[in-house]
Amino acid sequence: NAGVTQTPKFRILKIGQSMTLQCTQDMNHNYMYWYRQDPGMGLKLIYYSVGAGITDKGEVPNGYNVSRSTTEDFPLRLELAAPSQTSVYFCASSLKTGLAYNEQFFGPGTRLTVL
Amino acid sequence: AQSVTQPDIHITVSEGASLELRCNYSYGATPYLFWYVQSPGQGLQLLLKYFSGDTLVQGIKGFEAEFKRSQSSFNLRKPSVHWSDAAEYFCAVGGSGTYKYIFGTGTRLKVLA
Repeated sequence: NAGVTQTPKFRILKIGQSMTLQCTQDMNHNYMYWYRQDPGMGLKLIYYSVGAGITDKGEVPNGYNVSRSTTEDFPLRLELAAPSQTSVYFCASSLKTGLAYNEQFFGPGTRLTVL
Repeated sequence: AQSVTQPDIHITVSEGASLELRCNYSYGATPYLFWYVQSPGQGLQLLLKYFSGDTLVQGIKGFEAEFKRSQSSFNLRKPSVHWSDAAEYFCAVGGSGTYKYIFGTGTRLKVLA
């Protein structure tokens, strides 16, 4: 049971390039999330998904896109990378049991630099 | 508005000393409260959580936290800090009707040998 895995661990992009951050979980969790973490700012929610085929915007969705074709995978797409997207990106997942939304499990993160 | 405040950006303690990290929240419904720890270069690991019941909750690595509804607080404590506890600590709040968390801005703990 690997939990939540993310690739790549590090990436440097040039302004205007695009890339996809990969996230996979093997816990059969229905909810998945993408956060970005900037120094002194905590974690900000970019997008989330409540199940395969269903996604929605979080606090800071501009410049990003997501898809959820399977329960396991939740890739985050950056189009036209900008320096403001330099950050550490975390994927997380959680399981809803009955009415309870349980704790989120986090991946190790992807450190992205846009130059 | 819903929010989480961690008033201390940095805290330094000596190894073996006690620790208390503060967390205050503003939430319109019954809160679910969490403390996560992030070691350098790592993801977030859950230390403990409070959903209901006993207001003093025990977590991993010898940590505990106390929910005080009257003070809207959920402070994290440890009686004796170890050098390996040096990390960043995040408080988060959610609710029974939502799958979204609100995170505090974190407290970075430094431990002196």
